[in-house]
This record gives sequence, structure tokens and C-alpha cells, in this order.
Amino acid sequence: GEDVEQSLFLSVREGDSSVINCTYTDSSSTYLYWYKQEPGAGLQLLTYIFSNMDMKQDQRLTVLLNKKDKHLSLRIADTQTGDSAIYFCAGPGANNLFFGTGTRLTVIP
Amino acid sequence: EPEVTQTPSHQVTQMGQEVILRCVPISNHLYFYWYRQILGQKVEFLVSFYNNEISEKSEIFDDQFSVERPDGSNFTLKIRSTKLEDSAMYFCASSETSGGADVSYEQYFGPGTRLTVT
Repeated sequence: GEDVEQSLFLSVREGDSSVINCTYTDSSSTYLYWYKQEPGAGLQLLTYIFSNMDMKQDQRLTVLLNKKDKHLSLRIADTQTGDSAIYFCAGPGANNLFFGTGTRLTVIP
Repeated sequence: EPEVTQTPSHQVTQMGQEVILRCVPISNHLYFYWYRQILGQKVEFLVSFYNNEISEKSEIFDDQFSVERPDGSNFTLKIRSTKLEDSAMYFCASSETSGGADVSYEQYFGPGTRLTVT
């Protein structure tokens, strides 16, 4: 199955850009996902990218996919304190998702 | 907006005891899942459930674990004889469709139950 790796922590100042990185192993993955978990809540789908795309932009979010390096990143522009959360990268299995550890993003006012 | 709910939010149990973690998936969803996350580790898939049977399970999901949909709304995870290493956050999820490698889909997650085995 898929193996997904992320760094555990990231701190940024409010207004700066955040870049959360993820690596994966299964080159056959056609969809890759970013989920967000706010305190006390469940994981919520933020965005996803199809493997025939290099980039996907959705308002302040930009997903970059480097298939050659099996590297996925999530960029949050103009990071706000409300963006403080845990961000999970995920790849698909047959009937499940493979997640990383999650990256805890802390936004410093 | 519909959401997945889980109870209790925190469960403390003694080693060897049975626990049942409860979930109410979103009402029109057909696919149900359990995941767990040991502190500092990855979110790990345990089991998926569809049409009243297990559709896939991981190596973690051994004979100590079972799932059930006892009525039209609840989806439960039972751990028969808890071990210290079962201490984790357990997430329930549901989806309207099944995904896989070729189709995008969204799993909706509950807030989790923190299980502490002492």
C-alpha cells in the first residue's frame, strides 16, 4: 500500500505563506488529497489533485504535484490564525485512504 | 450541514476490558470506515464496511476487533480485550461513494474518540 510521509510541525507568521510538504511511494496513485483537522473536529477534505495535473489552485490554496519525485505540497497564501490546524496528506487505497502523520501548522500573530 | 458524530469523546479503560466505540455516519452514506492514530504516528486504516460486511481490513484489524452496524444509524467498533498499545485516537468516517485509485471521493470524518488503556 501507499506510504505517506510528512513533517510534524510548521510555524509561520500571520500574513506569510505556508508550505506543507508530503512524499508518497505509490506511483499509481491517481488522486492525492489534503485534509485539515481543526481542534476538536474531524478531518475535513480541503482539496485534491489528479495525477495528470502539476498544479491546482483554489483561492488561497495551491497544490503542487511533482510526480517524478513523488512530492506533493500545499501552499497557503496570506496565512491567517484561523489556518492553524493539522494538515494531512493522503493517497488512495482500494477502499481506504493512506494518511501521513499530519503537519501541525501554527500561525503566529 | 450533516456530520459524522462519535461517542464518547474520551474513553478510559483497563487492560483486558472490552470497549465499544460508537459512530453515527452521515445518513445517506453507504461506506463506513475506522481509522486510528497513535500519538505522534500516522493515521492508520483499520477497516472499511459496506452493505453490512467488511470490504477491506488492515493487518491491525485482528480478531480482537469487530465492527457492526446494529441498526440503520450506528456503526460501532468493538475491541474485545484491550491492550496498552490500543491507546489511540479512533476516527470513524463515511462516504457516499467508494473511491480507490481511479475515482476521487470524499470521506467525512468524525471528531474521534480518544481511547486510553491503563
